[in-house]
Amino acid sequence: SAVISQKPSRDICQRGTSLTIQCQVDSQVTMMFWYRQQPGQSLTLIATANQGSEATYESGFVIDKFPISRPNLTFSTLTVSNMSPEDSSIYLCSVEDDSSYEQYFGPGTRLTVT
Amino acid sequence: AQSVTQLDSHVSVSEGTPVLLRCNYSSSYSPSLFWYVQHPNKGLQLLLKYTSAATLVKGINGFEAEFKKSETSFHLTKPSAHMSDAAEYFCVVSDRGSGGGADGLTFGKGTHLIIQP
Repeated sequence: SAVISQKPSRDICQRGTSLTIQCQVDSQVTMMFWYRQQPGQSLTLIATANQGSEATYESGFVIDKFPISRPNLTFSTLTVSNMSPEDSSIYLCSVEDDSSYEQYFGPGTRLTVT
Repeated sequence: AQSVTQLDSHVSVSEGTPVLLRCNYSSSYSPSLFWYVQHPNKGLQLLLKYTSAATLVKGINGFEAEFKKSETSFHLTKPSAHMSDAAEYFCVVSDRGSGGGADGLTFGKGTHLIIQP
């Protein structure tokens, strides 16, 4: 399985600011995903990021709030813009194995907005 | 559209007794089904998956799950619980690989497994 790292592992930010989360995988993958896990909740898909195309956002998530970059097959970033306390969550990236469709998750970024 | 219902938000069992975590799914296609485990302050780990091969799927740490299409269920079981099994368990469905087109995984709300000594 792929080894995935995320930076930062956690951060405390003030409302109105933005934070960019990085996701690095140790092998080339086609599909990368970003999820949000709010406190005590399950995971919700934010968007799908394919290299060479615009990210596809799920209902309730918009590009202006969560811009995503996917410059190559091993890296992606998610920015949380104009943050409010409601954005306090764990943000996770995942990658998909091209043959098995299994998804492997990074360790997550724990974001607290004050 | 795909969806997952985990029937119990919390399950408490004694160490050494069987574990049953229940999951029902809905999918318009032939879905792939997964169970993930999340230990406190740890990342998500794939326990097992079903992708239209054998209906009884064996995973890591002694867990297994049975796919029952007629009941649209994918319950997770383990014959004997261990203290280290205490964690949050997520049942997950995906239509990818069966022409469904939905890109990401759909997670259930999770079942918190408590192991009593």
